[in-house]
Amino acid sequence: DIQMTQSPSSLSASVGDRVTITCRASQSISNYLNWYQQKPEKAPKILIYGASSLPSGVPSRFSGSGSGTDFTLTISSLQPEDFATYYCQESYSAPRTFGQGTKVEIK
Amino acid sequence: EVQLVESGGGLVKPGGSLTLSCAASGFDFSRTWMSWVRQAPGKGLEWVGQIKSPNGGGTTDYAAPVRDRLTISRDDSKNMVYLQLNSLKFEDTAIYYCTALSTWGGVIVMSYWGQGALVTVSS
Repeated sequence: DIQMTQSPSSLSASVGDRVTITCRASQSISNYLNWYQQKPEKAPKILIYGASSLPSGVPSRFSGSGSGTDFTLTISSLQPEDFATYYCQESYSAPRTFGQGTKVEIK
Repeated sequence: EVQLVESGGGLVKPGGSLTLSCAASGFDFSRTWMSWVRQAPGKGLEWVGQIKSPNGGGTTDYAAPVRDRLTISRDDSKNMVYLQLNSLKFEDTAIYYCTALSTWGGVIVMSYWGQGALVTVSS
């Protein structure tokens, strides 16, 4: 099974900061990488798919990059509504493993 | 509007069984792969399993920790997907989410999520 390692597990940042979260796969997964955002007491929602594509409605301050084994989620200017937990997930094959999550907190 | 509504959660004793149901609406259910994801209290997301659409073969895949105890099934006449988990353990305590899978740009995405059903395993 493919293992997904996210870092950091948590971070504190201020509104307006640039935030970067990384995700590493234990083997190459091409661009089969999704990012989800989960706010407290809510179900997750898709944020980025295919490593770098944004679904309709997701603000352009979110971006994703990477291919193969190393991926990055970037929030260019953190907004109050972005404080949440972010998960990467490989979509290369079943089981579709999630990273352990990165909690973005207010500094 | 897409809706996924889970039901059947609650308190279950260790060694017991549970069946969760997920009612789907607002999309072409019979052509959609479905999956279940769980989240233990205060923990991260854990993929549990998936079931393909009938034209995708209707086959299932399960996560290793539950493979011997889990059955995912679907009833396309009712737009329902089910999760049955046997021989429950304390570590099965979690919110169980039903998700609909879409293929966007060739990538399988959990495009829609239900609100989740809480299962608590306790004696």
